[in-house]
Amino acid sequence: DQQVKQNSPSLSVQEGRISILNCDYTNSMFDYFLWYKKYPAEGPTFLISISSIKDKNEDGRFTVFLNKSAKHLSLHIVPSQPGDSAVYFCAAILRGNEKLTFGTGTRLTIIP
Amino acid sequence: DAGVIQSPRHEVTEMGQEVTLRCKPISGHNSLFWYRQTMMRGLELLIYFNNNVPIDDSGMPEDRFSAKMPNASFSTLKIQPSEPRDSAVYFCASSLASGGGGQPQHFGDGTRLSIL
Repeated sequence: DQQVKQNSPSLSVQEGRISILNCDYTNSMFDYFLWYKKYPAEGPTFLISISSIKDKNEDGRFTVFLNKSAKHLSLHIVPSQPGDSAVYFCAAILRGNEKLTFGTGTRLTIIP
Repeated sequence: DAGVIQSPRHEVTEMGQEVTLRCKPISGHNSLFWYRQTMMRGLELLIYFNNNVPIDDSGMPEDRFSAKMPNASFSTLKIQPSEPRDSAVYFCASSLASGGGGQPQHFGDGTRLSIL
């Protein structure tokens, strides 16, 4: 049972435009949500997180939005840059736990 | 600052052999995690330790897998005997766990394991 889902396996965006990556979850007990970025032959790198008590968190070009009623979160990257080309994973943590449950990832390609 | 260090980066061995993967977490971190990434199952947690104590090993596939953390700066994941279906990329991650939760985990670059 996939509790964290990224339904788009890939996404292509023009350089300078906005990239929007989506993630859905099924477990309402998730307390924190995180986004990781992964380049080939490297480990995932933490990007940004959001607590379930918030609906938005911003860090530079990256903004994460959380819609609890829809059990949906999204990562916005603006403006998109070539170095943003990578696989992006959404992950969630249950309250009182440290286990990360990952989505299947979305491969983002920024077109120069 | 040194990140999470994993060794070896690549391992190719024959079915039935013992495999040992190693991990050095970030200094000062008190939680350590072992993950496996495959095409079929994506990134899945195998086991995690807090203050060197195993907390949750429910993701360990079977008795052929074992993990230890003898001290705060070292952990091993062992597979004995290895099978072709164990071929995957194995990641180690560490974090500074706090009571509030949500602390990001920092990953090593992984060990790519191929069992022939």
